[in-house]
Amino acid sequence: DQQVKQNSPSLSVQEGRISILNCDYTNSMFDYFLWYKKYPAEGPTFLISISSIKDKNEDGRFTVFLNKSAKHLSLHIVPSQPGDSAVYFCAASESTSYGKLTFGQGTILTVHP
Amino acid sequence: DAGITQSPRHKVTETGTPVTLRCHQTENHRYMYWYRQDPGHGLRLIHYSYGVKDTDKGEVSDGYSVSRSKTEDFLLTLESATSSQTSVYFCAISARTGGGEKLFFGSGTQLSVL
Repeated sequence: DQQVKQNSPSLSVQEGRISILNCDYTNSMFDYFLWYKKYPAEGPTFLISISSIKDKNEDGRFTVFLNKSAKHLSLHIVPSQPGDSAVYFCAASESTSYGKLTFGQGTILTVHP
Repeated sequence: DAGITQSPRHKVTETGTPVTLRCHQTENHRYMYWYRQDPGHGLRLIHYSYGVKDTDKGEVSDGYSVSRSKTEDFLLTLESATSSQTSVYFCAISARTGGGEKLFFGSGTQLSVL
C-alpha cells in the first residue's frame, strides 16, 4: 500500500518554462511534507518543505502547494533550468515522527535547453 | 554537507555472505537512519536510531540488523545477503532547520548481491 504516490514517472520541460511535479498521499495523519532532489550517484538533497498549517511555501524559484482536502501537493519550479534535471521525491511524515519519512516513487525531470 | 560519510561506496557480494555498511557522522546528531532506494519504491526506511544503543525497526527491516555503539557511527548489517537486497543504501541524520525536521543524506552505498 503506497501511502505517497507520484504518478508521473517522468516530466520533460523546456528551459525557462514552469515545471509542475505532483504528489498524492492517503494517510490523513501526515502533517509535514518535503521535496527532495537527487542527482545520479549522490544522496537526496532537501529542497523545500511545508507544514499542514500552510497551503503554500516559497523559496526562490521553488514553490510547494498543499491541498489538504484533496491530499495533494505539488512542486512548481519557475523558471526551469537545465541544472534542475534530476529525480524529485515527495515525502511525508507525521511531525512527531522525527525523520521517519514515507517517500513517493520519484519523478525524473528533464529540462531541455 | 551534513558531515555524513558512508562506506563502502560500492560493494559486490555473493548470496549468503554477511555484509556490513557503515555510516559515520561528525556533527553529533542524535537521530540516524538507514533507507534503501529501489526503482518504483522511492526510499524506504530500514532501521533508525534515536541514541547510542537505541534503535528501532522501519518499514522494511526483515533481513537487516543495526548497531550504534557510538554517537557518530551507525552500522547496517545484512546477516546473510540475498539478491533482493541489491539496492542503493542511504544513511541520513535528522536536524531541525528553518522550523522543521529534515533529513540530510549521505552519498549512498551501491550494493550488488550476486
